[in-house]
Amino acid sequence: ETGVTQTPRHLVMGMTNKKSLKCEQHLGHNAMYWYKQSAKKPLELMFVYNFKEQTENNSVPSRFSPECPNSSHLFLHLHTLQPEDSALYLCASSQGASGGRVFTTETQYFGPGTRLLVL
Amino acid sequence: AQSVAQPEDQVNVAEGNPLTVKCTYSVSGNPYLFWYVQYPNRGLQFLLKYITGDNLVKGSYGFEAEFNKSQTSFHLKKPSALVSDSALYFCAVRDNNNNDMRFGAGTRLTVKP
Repeated sequence: ETGVTQTPRHLVMGMTNKKSLKCEQHLGHNAMYWYKQSAKKPLELMFVYNFKEQTENNSVPSRFSPECPNSSHLFLHLHTLQPEDSALYLCASSQGASGGRVFTTETQYFGPGTRLLVL
Repeated sequence: AQSVAQPEDQVNVAEGNPLTVKCTYSVSGNPYLFWYVQYPNRGLQFLLKYITGDNLVKGSYGFEAEFNKSQTSFHLKKPSALVSDSALYFCAVRDNNNNDMRFGAGTRLTVKP
């Protein structure tokens, strides 16, 4: 295993529900990421956190709300989702960099994902 | 913004034969290139990356990739395929100007006995 865990592994929710996805990394990293993987589409980077600060938000709808309370944990809060939001949501982590430096050369380590189905 | 293309949805090879999974990229700055593999019901696993230096990069499980700046390519190769190499392979690119990461759509590799 990569040292990145995600819960739950599977989630079915209605469009009016509120749920949260959880990611935890045990690698001592400081950067964490949320990705969306839909069938036959490239992985889409959703959010990036570095030292608990959000550094990237790739035009993600507000019905997805990330939270990074510390460098080891990352949440994705879900509210009033649409059926097209059904996908595999992957969390990843990397070493990260302080002082505002970019960390583009780092290897990312991925969790197993949460398979989300919105009915 | 950077982008990456994997022109083949599917690659089929016989066990023991060499394999190539193609990737081309576009960036405005210096490219940082990655290959990941995804097995069923698993997250992505890192195989190798090119940052700088030698154009031939060696990675996990006997895979290697060659960075070709003139052709803007970073094809993944292995001299002798194994059935256990069957999986979904993703190429990804970052440039040195931002933290965004762009992935290709993936190539499904099937190695037949």
